Amino acid sequence: DQQVKQNSPSLSVQEGRISILNCDYTNSMFDYFLWYKKYPAEGPTFLISISSIKDKNEDGRFTVFLNKSAKHLSLHIVPSQPGDSAVYFCAASLGSSNTGKLIFGQGTTLQVKP
Amino acid sequence: DAGITQSPRHKVTETGTPVTLRCHQTENHRYMYWYRQDPGHGLRLIHYSYGVKDTDKGEVSDGYSVSRSKTEDFLLTLESATSSQTSVYFCAISESDYYGYTFGSGTRLTVV
Repeated sequence: DQQVKQNSPSLSVQEGRISILNCDYTNSMFDYFLWYKKYPAEGPTFLISISSIKDKNEDGRFTVFLNKSAKHLSLHIVPSQPGDSAVYFCAASLGSSNTGKLIFGQGTTLQVKP
Repeated sequence: DAGITQSPRHKVTETGTPVTLRCHQTENHRYMYWYRQDPGHGLRLIHYSYGVKDTDKGEVSDGYSVSRSKTEDFLLTLESATSSQTSVYFCAISESDYYGYTFGSGTRLTVV
């Protein structure tokens, strides 16, 4: 069963507007969440993360929100730029009890139109 | 790519042949992982290593084996390639068991 789900395969937004990418998880034992960004023909690169003891983490234009009661994670990009067009993966970890393994969602392809 | 390289970058092979993909790191990280990326499935863990000669299976390990004889190299072997193993394979490294990954650039494998 998919423990981490990204139910929207794609998202299209206008440059300058907000992009909101969503992620749901089923395992309440996950204690660390990450977002990765992937361009074609490249490996995923780390974008932002959040510990389960927090509900928000910001880094420049990127903010991740965590709602533990709903088992829901979201990534906000404000303002969106054409260079943000990529595939975004959310990932979850069980931390030190699980040798650092990350479980990834299916990915959401973001297109930012100029 | 932050001291991680994968080889080859592209490979076409025939069904039934053995294939080995190599992941090499210069970061001296303890943890190494092999994932495959497929449409609709995202990234799925094949095998991982938590030290030299210490490896374990991931969620899609059938048909794959790995070896890690030294810290810097993690090899993924398809003993007898099948068309279902056509995929993009990513290696990742991590310095601790509570830290994010650094990924390699990937190997695109086509089994015909």
